[in-house]
Amino acid sequence: DAKTTQPTSMDCAEGRAANLPCNHSTISGNEYVYWYRQIHSQGPQYIIHGLKNNETNEMASLIITEDRKSSTLILPHATLRDTAVYYCIVRVVTHDYKLSFGAGTTVTVRA
Amino acid sequence: DTGVSQDPRHKITKRGQNVTFRCDPISEHNRLYWYRQTLGQGPEFLTYFQNEAQLEKSRLLSDRFSAERPKGSFSTLEIQRTEQGDSAMYLCASSLAGTDYGYTFGSGTRLTVV
Repeated sequence: DAKTTQPTSMDCAEGRAANLPCNHSTISGNEYVYWYRQIHSQGPQYIIHGLKNNETNEMASLIITEDRKSSTLILPHATLRDTAVYYCIVRVVTHDYKLSFGAGTTVTVRA
Repeated sequence: DTGVSQDPRHKITKRGQNVTFRCDPISEHNRLYWYRQTLGQGPEFLTYFQNEAQLEKSRLLSDRFSAERPKGSFSTLEIQRTEQGDSAMYLCASSLAGTDYGYTFGSGTRLTVV
């Protein structure tokens, strides 16, 4: 059972920031938030993860609300190559060995 | 290290035939996972290994499916007596147990049963 809800799809203009929301209202204290993306005909690619602090890496930023019930993945300058399905997943690191993927958000970056 | 490799990338087989897929994980990763993905859906967990031990199998994995990971290195997934419903992308991933790092997925094997 997916523990997250995401919009089905969203469009973004090339060069602009893409903000992808995720709701995980039943998240427990030891569950991390992970984001993966899947470009057409490829396997999922890990993007970023966090527990409660905001995180940034070379691909994206992750903003987690103070109550941890929702988060936003930010792609700062979307390119056409960021067109993909984006999955938000919650997982207990120590004993959740499997990832439960929902349907994700299909992001289309338009020129 | 070139990441997780899967072979073949594509496989077309006739119904009733057996097929075998191979996955080579990242060498230092001790966990290996198999997932299946049908069109328009997210990947679904099938099974996972820690080293050479297969620790869980999903109910999706019928008796016609078997997976092995001899010596805790590469893994194979075999489907016997294939059915049209087996047509899907079969994904392999690997990770290092006990860390919070993300999993690394391969590019998958797309199976088409005709």
